[in-house]
Amino acid sequence: EIVLTQSPDFQSVTPKEKVTITCRASQTIGSNLHWYQQKPDQSPKLLIKYASQSISGVPSRFSGSGSGTDFTLTINSLEAEDAAAYYCHQSRSFPITFGQGTRLEI
Amino acid sequence: EVQLVESGGGLIQPGGSLRLSCAASGFTVSGNYMSWVRQAPGKGLEWVSVIYGDGTTYYADSMKGRFTVSRDTSKNTLYLQMNSLRADDTAVYYCARSWGHFDCWGQGTLVTVSS
Repeated sequence: EIVLTQSPDFQSVTPKEKVTITCRASQTIGSNLHWYQQKPDQSPKLLIKYASQSISGVPSRFSGSGSGTDFTLTINSLEAEDAAAYYCHQSRSFPITFGQGTRLEI
Repeated sequence: EVQLVESGGGLIQPGGSLRLSCAASGFTVSGNYMSWVRQAPGKGLEWVSVIYGDGTTYYADSMKGRFTVSRDTSKNTLYLQMNSLRADDTAVYYCARSWGHFDCWGQGTLVTVSS
């Protein structure tokens, strides 16, 4: 099983700050890594697919990078509405796995 | 509009069975990979199962033999049959369209396993 480890688990941030969340895979997964945002009492929402590909309708302040085992989600100029939990997810092999999540408090 | 709507959750005793439904609109269930993902209260996301367009299925190890994913093309609906339910199956269950990434999610349905 591929284990995804996110850091940090929790971060208190301020508006306009630049935030970086990392996701490390226990074995190489190429670019088969995706990022989601989940606000309280809502379903997860796809932010970035295949490590760095943007999603229509997602603000341009969200970007992703990385390949192999190390990945990064960057939020430029954080806004109050970005308070949420963020999860990475690998689709390289079964079982499909998620990171443990990173909660951003603003 | 692409939409998924889950139903069928509720309170069930340990050892019981429940079938969840996920009605799709705006696309066909049979023409896509469809997954179930769950989230225990206050916890992270956990993948449950997937069904491919050709009917091939895969499950997380802890659900193998207890859960069965299926679909009804005439109703454009995905199902999750859950048997031998345990307290640690308590979670919100989401269905999601999955092409590697999960690009469309339902609102979720809560399953509570408790006596």
